[in-house]
Amino acid sequence: EVQLVESGGGLEQPGRSLRLSCLASGFTFDDYAMHWVRQGPGKGLEWVSGISWNSGSIVYADSVKGRFTISRDSAKNSLYLQMNSLRADDTALYYCTRAGGGYEITGTAGMDVWGQGTTVTVSS
Amino acid sequence: DIQMTQSPSSLSASVGDRVTITCQASQDINNYLNWYQQKPGKAPKLLIYDASKLDTGVPSRFSGSGSGTDFTFTISSLQPEDTATYYCQQCDNLPITFGQGTRLDIK
Repeated sequence: EVQLVESGGGLEQPGRSLRLSCLASGFTFDDYAMHWVRQGPGKGLEWVSGISWNSGSIVYADSVKGRFTISRDSAKNSLYLQMNSLRADDTALYYCTRAGGGYEITGTAGMDVWGQGTTVTVSS
Repeated sequence: DIQMTQSPSSLSASVGDRVTITCQASQDINNYLNWYQQKPGKAPKLLIYDASKLDTGVPSRFSGSGSGTDFTFTISSLQPEDTATYYCQQCDNLPITFGQGTRLDIK
């Protein structure tokens, strides 16, 4: 079964850090670009960051650029999001997603696999 | 950034009705337009990709059309389990952007 399982969320104070993880299974992880998408409480979907299959292309939303770092480890079939200098408006449910088109971040086939999400709450 | 304008923001329809949601992009997105369904407390699910292609296992009552900047999502015969919020998304240019969502309720 194709599956993405996120972990690492929690309650953290403004200015502190968190590291999210996403464990992929049931498919060849190296064949796909991956993304993080978040959803604030009662709000819509916001793309956060994407990484190509070989980490050769990495991109961020302006709202997190310079604070968040996306990475992947093919040996562990895992995607990560290092979140530094957290702010209250980073509070959200964070989803790990697979790029359905394969290797690249943009283009065809949408985000065809989603995890169940991990909740990040930033509050003092 | 490409702005995705989705309408309506909410609608209520009866079982069996034909339902249509529209999404307009602020520039040509080369048909890299996707539609997602999100039920309460669940992750979004891809229904339609590349404007008109049905994802695997998605019922045929769902369809998508359009090109360039104007796109339409249709449910041909609304079912009770279709109660959800629907989002459009463009994957042509960075940053990837979503519409604001359409909440669909059953009358």
